[in-house]
Amino acid sequence: ETVMTQSPATLSVSPGERATLSCRASQSVNNNLAWYQQKPGQAPSLLIYGASTRASDIPARFTGGGSGTDFTLTISSLQSEDSAVYYCQHFNNWPWTFGQGTRVEIK
Amino acid sequence: EVQLLESGGDLVQPGGSLRLSCAASGFTFSTYAMTWVRQAPGKGLECVSLISGSGGDTYYADSVKGRFTISRDNSKNTLYLQMNSLRADDSAVYYCAKLVPFRAGTPWGPSDYWGQGTLVTVSS
Repeated sequence: ETVMTQSPATLSVSPGERATLSCRASQSVNNNLAWYQQKPGQAPSLLIYGASTRASDIPARFTGGGSGTDFTLTISSLQSEDSAVYYCQHFNNWPWTFGQGTRVEIK
Repeated sequence: EVQLLESGGDLVQPGGSLRLSCAASGFTFSTYAMTWVRQAPGKGLECVSLISGSGGDTYYADSVKGRFTISRDNSKNTLYLQMNSLRADDSAVYYCAKLVPFRAGTPWGPSDYWGQGTLVTVSS
């Protein structure tokens, strides 16, 4: 099983500042990597897939990068509505696994 | 507009059974693979099971293998999860989600649409 490890667990960022989230896979997942955003009481929603492709209607301030085992999600200018938990997930081979999540807080 | 509506969650005793349903609309259901993902209270996400569009390919997490069965009725645009021998650690919100094909030559990929979830509580 491929273990996905996200860091940091919590990120506190001021509005307008940059937030960088990390996701590391215990073995290569190629570019079969997605990022999701989950707000309290809501289902997750797809942000990024294929490591770097924004899903439909996702603002350009969200950027995904990386390949193989090391991935990042960057929010270039944090907005108040970006307060959420962010999960990475690989879909390279079964079982698909999620990271434990990074909580992004607005300072 | 794609819509996924889960139902069937309930309070059940350990060892009991439940069947979850997910009614899909707004897309050609039979064309897409689907998944069940669960989230225990205050915890992260776990991909429980996958099924291809035809229903011919299925996958299960080790934690549910032999106890849960994923299926679909493409004539009714509905996804199911039959859960038997339920345990306390199966308590979670269960989401169904549609998969978008990404891996070349396969139906597998990320979940682009999710339902609102249905709560399963296993307790005596």
